[in-house]
Amino acid sequence: AQKVTQAQTEISVVEKEDVTLDCVYETRDTTYYLFWYKQPPSGELVFLIRRNSFDEQNEISGRYSWNFQKSTSSFNFTITASQVVDSAVYFCALSEAHRGTDKLIFGTGTRLQVFP
Amino acid sequence: DTGVSQDPRHKITKRGQNVTFRCDPISEHNRLYWYRQTLGQGPEFLTYFQNEAQLEKSRLLSDRFSAERPKGSFSTLEIQRTEQGDSAMYLCASSPRVGEYYNEQFFGPGTRLTVL
Repeated sequence: AQKVTQAQTEISVVEKEDVTLDCVYETRDTTYYLFWYKQPPSGELVFLIRRNSFDEQNEISGRYSWNFQKSTSSFNFTITASQVVDSAVYFCALSEAHRGTDKLIFGTGTRLQVFP
Repeated sequence: DTGVSQDPRHKITKRGQNVTFRCDPISEHNRLYWYRQTLGQGPEFLTYFQNEAQLEKSRLLSDRFSAERPKGSFSTLEIQRTEQGDSAMYLCASSPRVGEYYNEQFFGPGTRLTVL
């Protein structure tokens, strides 16, 4: 069965601190995709990144970086030098797209609060 | 450039009434998805369409729920005989899935349903 676990319900940091959001997934498939979405207070989910299961290279985009480790079934997200605008709920999601369905299976989310 | 739009943004109804929501995807996207999100949870998949064909329905989608995408463009989600447990945010997403090539899903702002 597919499952995504985000064990951290809420994280609070002070601006400029680094913060890592954890994501652990379960799947029996060898081909799958992992995602991170941001849901700011306005409510609209914003796509951040997609990784496929064959690409374990870490990725950096500005202050954001992602660490994908198949050995531990984890896809963690780090924000460097956090800012107040980073305050949002962050969701990790899994899709077993090769089965002909690309529905997203979301974790329960991690609420990040960045204080000035 | 317009993203995914949903109408209405908010709906308050009395238990037992029928409600209908509309989603307009990004114009060139052939896949359209519906998700439901309750407070403190991640979105849960309901159903999706490729063009006008409904390809998958979740077990969450009871007989009171029906979705259509008659011309492969906009979609409607109807809930009949609403119950208080239907209160949630209903999210629509679209993606330009072509063959086996996977693309991320882009979400609309959602319709928040409150059943009194």
